[in-house]
Order: sequence, then C-alpha cells, then structure tokens
Amino acid sequence: KAGVTQTPRYLIKTRGQQVTLSCSPISGHRSVSWYQQTPGQGLQFLFEYFSETQRNKGNFPGRFSGRQFSNSRSEMNVSTLELGDSALYLCASSLWGYEQYFGPGTRLTVT
Amino acid sequence: GENVEQHPSTLSVQEGDSAVIKCTYSDSASNYFPWYKQELGKRPQLIIDIRSNVGEKKDQRIAVTLNKTAKHFSLHITETQPEDSAVYFCAASNTGNQFYFGTGTSLTVIP
Repeated sequence: KAGVTQTPRYLIKTRGQQVTLSCSPISGHRSVSWYQQTPGQGLQFLFEYFSETQRNKGNFPGRFSGRQFSNSRSEMNVSTLELGDSALYLCASSLWGYEQYFGPGTRLTVT
Repeated sequence: GENVEQHPSTLSVQEGDSAVIKCTYSDSASNYFPWYKQELGKRPQLIIDIRSNVGEKKDQRIAVTLNKTAKHFSLHITETQPEDSAVYFCAASNTGNQFYFGTGTSLTVIP
C-alpha cells in the first residue's frame, strides 16, 4: 500500500496570509491526525478527524482548522499566519485509531 | 490533560551497548503507549507500542516495559548499531485518537 502523502512539501508564506495543507491517508484508513513539530515544543497534537467528523482537538487557537472529505483525505488551514507558525506540519493516518503512520510533512516558513 | 515527560534528551552509547529511554505520564486513564523513531529529515516511524494490559513487549532488539502503578514506560534497545542513531519519541493516549508526545531523545550510537 502507498504510504501517507502530504502536499505541498515546502511552503513559504508572509505574515497575515493563510495556508492550506493537504494529507492523503493510507488506503482504507479513516482516521487522520495533524501535528505541529517544532524544535522547542516537539510534536503537538492539533486535531483528529474520523469519517469526516472532528473527534479531538488540541490546544491551538481557532486560526487552525481542518476538515476531512468522504475519501478520508484531509486538509488543514491556518489563517492570519504568524511568525511562530513556522514549523513542520505532520499528518498521520490510522484505521480507526491507535497505530498511526506519519506522512513526510509540510515545512511551512512564515516570513 | 495528559503530560508526558521524556528523559534523557540526548544519549550517546558505544556500538553494541544498550540504550534505555524513559517516559512518565500523568493521566492514569492512558492505555496506549507507542514509540516512534525519527531519522534526520524523515517522518516519525512507529517502532513498537504497548497497551496497558501488558507489562512488557519485545521485537527483536527493542523492547518496551510499562509500570502502570508508577506511570512510567521505557524503551530498551540492545546491541545498538549506528543505524539506530535517531530521535526517539514516546507518546501516550487514552482514546487511541489523541496523543501526547514526549519531547524526544536524540540517540547517537558511536561506531
């Protein structure tokens, strides 16, 4: 099976702009989670979707949002970008929970 | 919410020696504890996991132990090899779909 894919792999944006990241899970996986990875904070949970419903949400401001489509693909949106949003954004998929498989990540740089 | 602490943050061992990484968690409801290996520039990969109804699990040179009473779990790597050099993350979850990660341990195996 093909692994988890994420697009784009690299992105440079300016403060105040918005950005949309995409994640395609492993075929058959219905759960998609998003994480922010930074050198100082490690891996922090953003939110998790299962069958198009958000099941859990981490402690991030409302500028961070997501959605999942009927084919389990997921998007994450960040509005009004701040310098501190520069990070590697990882998504992970699982069948319905527990064993997670990560994508390669999207490296977002905000200038 | 859950708080996962991981120690040490860096670890250097000679090739062939053992390496041990320890994590503690705060939420007694956590019941799933995965470990991930992240090589430089790569995605995190699940290497072993354990559920709360099991005290120990082994897979070739790696093993994980869990002490529910003390709320800590450890990763043991025996006969370390240079390719074991990476950052290792522990995590905890009580639902299987929201994960709290430790801050990572950078392991260097010296040939």
